[in-house]
Formats: sequence, C-alpha cells, structure tokens
Amino acid sequence: DAGVIQSPRHEVTEMGQEVTLRCKPISGHDYLFWYRQTMMRGLELLIYFNNNVPIDDSGMPEDRFSAKMPNASFSTLKIQPSEPRDSAVYFCASSTSGGATQYFGPGTRLLVL
Amino acid sequence: AQSVSQHNHHVILSEAASLELGCNYSYGGTVNLFWYVQYPGQHLQLLLKYFSGDPLVKGIKGFEAEFIKSKFSFNLRKPSVQWSDTAEYFCAVNENDYKLSFGAGTTVTVRA
Repeated sequence: DAGVIQSPRHEVTEMGQEVTLRCKPISGHDYLFWYRQTMMRGLELLIYFNNNVPIDDSGMPEDRFSAKMPNASFSTLKIQPSEPRDSAVYFCASSTSGGATQYFGPGTRLLVL
Repeated sequence: AQSVSQHNHHVILSEAASLELGCNYSYGGTVNLFWYVQYPGQHLQLLLKYFSGDPLVKGIKGFEAEFIKSKFSFNLRKPSVQWSDTAEYFCAVNENDYKLSFGAGTTVTVRA
C-alpha cells in the first residue's frame, strides 16, 4: 500500500489567498484526520471524519478553515483567506474502524507570507 | 479533555547511552497508548502501541515502553541509542474514541 498521500508537499502563498490541501487515505480506512503542527502549539487535531462524515470539527480554528470528504478516497482542507499565522505543517492521517492506530501522511508545509 | 505530559523537552546523549522518555496522561479510564517518532523533515511513524495485555510493549528499532496504570505513565526506553535515533518523539493517548491527544514532544539528539 502507498500509505497516506498528501499534496502539495510544500505551499508558499500570500496572505489573503485561498489554500487547498489534499489527502488520500489508505484504502479501506474509514477514519480520516487532519492535524496541524506548529512549534508553539505542537500537534493539534483539527477535524476528523468517519465514513466521509465529519464527526468532530471542534479543533478547526475559525471559519476560514473548512474540510470536506466527498468520497472515501479523498479529502480537502481549505483555508480562505489565508493568514501568516496559518503557517504550519498540516498532516493527514487515517485509520480503520477496527483499531485506533493512525497512519500519517508526509504532511504539507504551508508558508503564508 | 485528555492531557498528555512529556517530561523532557530536549534530551541530548551520546551513542550507546540508554534513553528513557517520560509520558503521563490524565484520563483514569481505559486508554490506548502510542509512541510516534518524527525524524527530521519526515512524517510521524508509529514506534509502538499499547491496547491491552502485557504492559511491557516492544516496538520497532529496539524501543520498548512500559504501561504503569497506577502511575498513569507510558515511558519509552531504549537500552543503547544510535545516531540515527535523533528525532522528535511523541506520546499519544486516546480514550475509546479515535481522537488522539499528543504530548508536546521530546527532541532527542544523539551525538556520534
């Protein structure tokens, strides 16, 4: 299996622009998670899905952030408009319904200027 | 909400030295426990996990961890580290759902 796939790996954008991060979970995994990693706050869970349905979005920082999972093999995390404080590494992870081990993707390193 | 505490922010040691990283959590019920490792510039990889059974868990690359329920601890150990163990180590806990709470991480630097 290819593991969790994320794109792009790096993104540099200017403040105010829309940013879309993409994730393909491991085939057969029913849970998908979006995390943000910063030096100041460490790893934070933003939102997670089960069977394509958002279950808990309490970690989403504000309305500028939105996430979708239109099908079992694809999810997006969108920031609109982006701000410099959104600069971070965004990880996607997936897991099966029968276990709690989460498998992480390589991350997207976002820099908002 | 779950709270996960990692005792050391940065640990520096020489090759062949022994390593122990502390992790404590706040939840008193049934938990699943994990240690993840993040090598420089890479994503998180699972080192080991504890769900139930033998509280001494062995993982990859010679790492092991011991779950001590009475102390709410899940400390990570390696008897003899290598330069390639330089990485950031994260303890994580979940409480019967699929939300992982991560500790702040411990950066381990191994000097050759």
